[in-house]
Amino acid sequence: KAGVTQTPRYLIKTRGQQVTLSCSPISGHRSVSWYQQTPGQGLQFLFEYFSETQRNKGNFPGRFSGRQFSNSRSEMNVSTLELGDSALYLCASSYWGGDTEAFFGQGTRLTVV
Amino acid sequence: AQSVTQPDIHITVSEGASLELRCNYSYGATPYLFWYVQSPGQGLQLLLKYFSGDTLVQGIKGFEAEFKRSQSSFNLRKPSVHWSDAAEYFCAVAPTGGGNKLTFGTGTQLKVEL
Repeated sequence: KAGVTQTPRYLIKTRGQQVTLSCSPISGHRSVSWYQQTPGQGLQFLFEYFSETQRNKGNFPGRFSGRQFSNSRSEMNVSTLELGDSALYLCASSYWGGDTEAFFGQGTRLTVV
Repeated sequence: AQSVTQPDIHITVSEGASLELRCNYSYGATPYLFWYVQSPGQGLQLLLKYFSGDTLVQGIKGFEAEFKRSQSSFNLRKPSVHWSDAAEYFCAVAPTGGGNKLTFGTGTQLKVEL
């Protein structure tokens, strides 16, 4: 079956702009989580959505937001981009979350200039 | 708050040698435990997981890990490393019953010498 698909794979944005990233989970999966990966901070949890509701949230400023649609596809938005937002953003889907395996997409590489 | 420590940032082993990557966690109870591998520019692939039961778990690509509650450790092992195992390895924990919220260690970069 098809894996987790993240689009776009690469993005270059200017400081102050906003950006929207998309994640299509594996068919039947209802949980979608987002992670930020940077060389300095490593992998950090952003938030998790389950059945269109935010179930968990990490310690990121309000500029980072997300949503999930009825088909489980998810988007995350970052407003007023800062240079420090440059990172690999990874999406993971699982059927239920927690005690079910999470499958990761290949990520979106965001560069803020 | 939960945390994960991977004390080795870089490890170099010869092809065919055995491998052990260390992972220690801090959590109030026994969490769900995972090992992931990441190749350059790629996402994360799950190697193995521990939820409960047998403390020695087998994963893909010949990897295994042992959960030791008394030491709060979940070390990853492989008896004979292949050149294709060169990658970055991450240990992670998730709260039981808490949804898909992984806390990752800082990773161990594995180099394999031919």
